[in-house]
Amino acid sequence: QKEVEQDPGPLSVPEGAIVSLNCTYSNSAFQYFMWYRQYSRKGPELLMYTYSSGNKEDGRFTAQVDKSSKYISLFIRDSQPSDSATYLCAMNPWGTGANNLFFGTGTRLTVIP
Amino acid sequence: DSGVTQTPKHLITATGQRVTLRCSPRSGDLSVYWYQQSLDQGLQFLIQYYNGEERAKGNILERFSAQQFPDLHSELNLSSLELGDSALYFCASSAGDVDTQYFGPGTRLTVL
Repeated sequence: QKEVEQDPGPLSVPEGAIVSLNCTYSNSAFQYFMWYRQYSRKGPELLMYTYSSGNKEDGRFTAQVDKSSKYISLFIRDSQPSDSATYLCAMNPWGTGANNLFFGTGTRLTVIP
Repeated sequence: DSGVTQTPKHLITATGQRVTLRCSPRSGDLSVYWYQQSLDQGLQFLIQYYNGEERAKGNILERFSAQQFPDLHSELNLSSLELGDSALYFCASSAGDVDTQYFGPGTRLTVL
């Protein structure tokens, strides 16, 4: 069993839809949780990071962490075609940039105009 | 643009060969990380260097090695290449060793 599981999709939604992306994990030592966005043929770009359970909002993006269920989510409101990318969850026990980031396999999202 | 540069962008080579991938971190960043991304495994952490010293090791094969030079650029050496080594190799950098990682554009390695 992988330490981080993520539904690979692909996920296709119409423009303006609310998108929900999810990851589960098995290691209770994970304390820091991140979401990266990766456009085709580009490197991952950090979208959000959070430490505690609960919600964190940044514009159209909301990151949600439930440590008791070992479940994290990223919500995208009013999705745009420019949001079409692969979304990767990542986590580790120490910090946002500390060694050993554990990634999910990524969910490919397409937002249709 | 993250400020992390990687060369070359693409590399095509044969089994058994050796290649070197190069990474220049963002200005001022002391940590460099190497990751491998393949279709079936996703992004896998390989190794981290901090200010010239190895800080952490992940699932890095013995055929692979890395180093960070005094000017803080890093090289990843892959030897005795196998077909299964074909992947995207990313470098990331961070200011310290507990800070946000910024990823480069990657090097696509194809082993024929």
